[in-house]
Amino acid sequence: AQSVTQLDSQVPVFEEAPVELRCNYSSSVSVYLFWYVQYPNQGLQLLLKYLSGSTLVKGINGFEAEFNKSQTSFHLRKPSVHISDTAEYFCAVSTDAGGTSYGKLTFGQGTILTVHP
Amino acid sequence: DTEVTQTPKHLVMGMTNKKSLKCEQHMGHRAMYWYKQKAKKPPELMFVYSYEKLSINESVPSRFSPECPNSSLLNLHLHALQPEDSALYLCASSQDTASGVYNEQFFGPGTRLTVL
Repeated sequence: AQSVTQLDSQVPVFEEAPVELRCNYSSSVSVYLFWYVQYPNQGLQLLLKYLSGSTLVKGINGFEAEFNKSQTSFHLRKPSVHISDTAEYFCAVSTDAGGTSYGKLTFGQGTILTVHP
Repeated sequence: DTEVTQTPKHLVMGMTNKKSLKCEQHMGHRAMYWYKQKAKKPPELMFVYSYEKLSINESVPSRFSPECPNSSLLNLHLHALQPEDSALYLCASSQDTASGVYNEQFFGPGTRLTVL
């Protein structure tokens, strides 16, 4: 079965500073990785995804993430954050494994990013 | 059109009421999902429909009854709910469930449900 660990439940940062939100996964088969953002009282919006190919993926709003197979990580980064980036961020994984993982996204517990002026 | 719509946005109901949540997508997706999300928690999968057939029920109590009338619509019928069922209910769709690569899910804005 697959699992996702987001190492930080809360990350406070000042505006224009860089930020990294950490995500580690566990799976015995090939994975597909996603980062979603959720603003207060809204649904989830896809920031970026890794399906195959280049390990550095770029997403919306200036975010990027790097897939590291040896470290089983998919950390999200932004070089300079804005107040509007304040939100909750979820890392998620899916696989081609069958059984109980079939057709499912497995989410991490989420990281609340708070950007201070 | 890459949008998943959900109605209503907010719903308050008593424990004896019957109500329904609706979800619609026009992306041609063949997989649709219901999630329940409590505050400061990740979405928790409830049901998955694949090609209009229920493929996953995550041991959800029978007071929640899903329905997929066609490939674009997904309903969640609610009856005799408990206060602990109060949560944000999210609908999502994806191209398919045949492969993990198709599990990029598009989420609706959710219905905020309060059970009194």
